[in-house]
Amino acid sequence: DAGVIQSPRHEVTEMGQEVTLRCKPISGHDYLFWYRQTMMRGLELLIYFNNNVPIDDSGMPEDRFSAKMPNASFSTLKIQPSEPRDSAVYFCASSHTGAGGNIQYFGAGTRLSVL
Amino acid sequence: AQSVSQHNHHVILSEAASLELGCNYSYGGTVNLFWYVQYPGQHLQLLLKYFSGDPLVKGIKGFEAEFIKSKFSFNLRKPSVQWSDTAEYFCAVERQLTFGSGTQLTVLP
Repeated sequence: DAGVIQSPRHEVTEMGQEVTLRCKPISGHDYLFWYRQTMMRGLELLIYFNNNVPIDDSGMPEDRFSAKMPNASFSTLKIQPSEPRDSAVYFCASSHTGAGGNIQYFGAGTRLSVL
Repeated sequence: AQSVSQHNHHVILSEAASLELGCNYSYGGTVNLFWYVQYPGQHLQLLLKYFSGDPLVKGIKGFEAEFIKSKFSFNLRKPSVQWSDTAEYFCAVERQLTFGSGTQLTVLP
């Protein structure tokens, strides 16, 4: 398996623009997580899904952020409108239930810069 | 709510020195514990995990961690660090991983 795939790897945009980050989890995994990493706040869980259903979105900073998982192999994190303080590295991770589960496998991340 | 504390924000060691990074968590029930490592410019990777059984767990690259339930601790150790161990290390708890703030380790050649 190719692992968790995120795109784009880097995104530079201007304040006010819409940004969409994409994630393809590992096939067969039933959990998907979105994290944000900044120097100031470290690694923060934004939202996670189980079987494509959002379970906990309490980490989503505000209404400008939204996440969807239309099927088991794809998820998006959207920021509209984007602001400079949204600049961070966004990681997607997936895991599966069962023996040997609970281990999260991370994607390479999307480095977002909002000017 | 569960929380994870990593007391050392930045540790600087010389090669061959011994390493111990502290991790304490606050959660009264059964816990699954993890250490993840993030090498410069890379994503997080699992270093080792504890689910149950022997409280001394061994991970990749010579790392080990000991779960001490009475102290709510899961400290990471390595007898002799290498320059290539320079990275950020995160302790985490449970499925919906609650991460500590991370410890940046710099190993001087």
